[in-house]
Amino acid sequence: QSALTQPASVSGSPGQSITISCTGTSSVFGSYNLVSWYQQHPGRAPKLIIYEGSKRPSGVSNRFSGSKSGNTASLTISGLQPEDEADYHCCSYAGGSHYVFGAGTKVTVL
Amino acid sequence: QVQLVQSGSELKRPGASVKVSCKASGYTFTTYALSWVRQAPGQGLEWVGWINTNTGIPTYAQDFTARFVFSLDNSVNTAYLQINSLKVEDTAVYYCARVVYYGSGTYPLYWGQGTLVTVSS
Repeated sequence: QSALTQPASVSGSPGQSITISCTGTSSVFGSYNLVSWYQQHPGRAPKLIIYEGSKRPSGVSNRFSGSKSGNTASLTISGLQPEDEADYHCCSYAGGSHYVFGAGTKVTVL
Repeated sequence: QVQLVQSGSELKRPGASVKVSCKASGYTFTTYALSWVRQAPGQGLEWVGWINTNTGIPTYAQDFTARFVFSLDNSVNTAYLQINSLKVEDTAVYYCARVVYYGSGTYPLYWGQGTLVTVSS
C-alpha cells in the first residue's frame, strides 16, 4: 500500500477541467513542498510535468497546474484534450533522501 | 541530447539473478544522480532508489534493501541494477532515470525506455 493515495480513475469531457488528488501523511509530505507529477501514456516511460508542487518544466503545457494544501497535493488539467488520456503519478520527497510514489490515476477523456 | 538506453527484456527463473544496464549519453555522467523505478504489470510506479554517480553511493527504498544492488561503470557511462534471488513478484518494467536539480528537489527528468524482467518457472 502506497504512502500516497490517489483516486484510481478520473474522467472528463474535452474542454473540461479535472483535478487529481494525492493525499499523504505529515511524515511523508512533512514541511516539504517537493511534490512532483508524472504523465505516462501506455507503453511509454513517465514524463515529468510538475515539480516543487506547482512548477512546470520547460515545454510542458500550461494546461497542467499543481497545488498543495496541507497533506493533499493536486494536479489540475484544464481544457482537457484527447491526448491527455494517460496515467498520472504523484511523487513526494519523504525525507532521508527517499522518495515515494502514489499508485497512479487513470484519466479518461470521454 | 540526453539519452538513456537500457538493456533488453529478460526471462528468469525464481532464485536466479539479473543485471539490467542503463547507458547514458549526451551529458557528463558523473554530474547527475540516476534513479531506478519499478512498475509491475498494470500497477503504479515504485521508487527503488538512486545512486550518486560521482561517489557511487547508493540509496535504496526500504522494500529494496535486501536483494537489489546498484553499481556503476563510469568508464562506459553505464549504471546497473542487479536483482538477486529473483521472485515471481519482481516481474516488472524497470526504468532508470537521470535526475535534474530544481531548487532543493531532485526529480527524474530523462528516462530510459524501460527493461521488462519476467520471473517465471
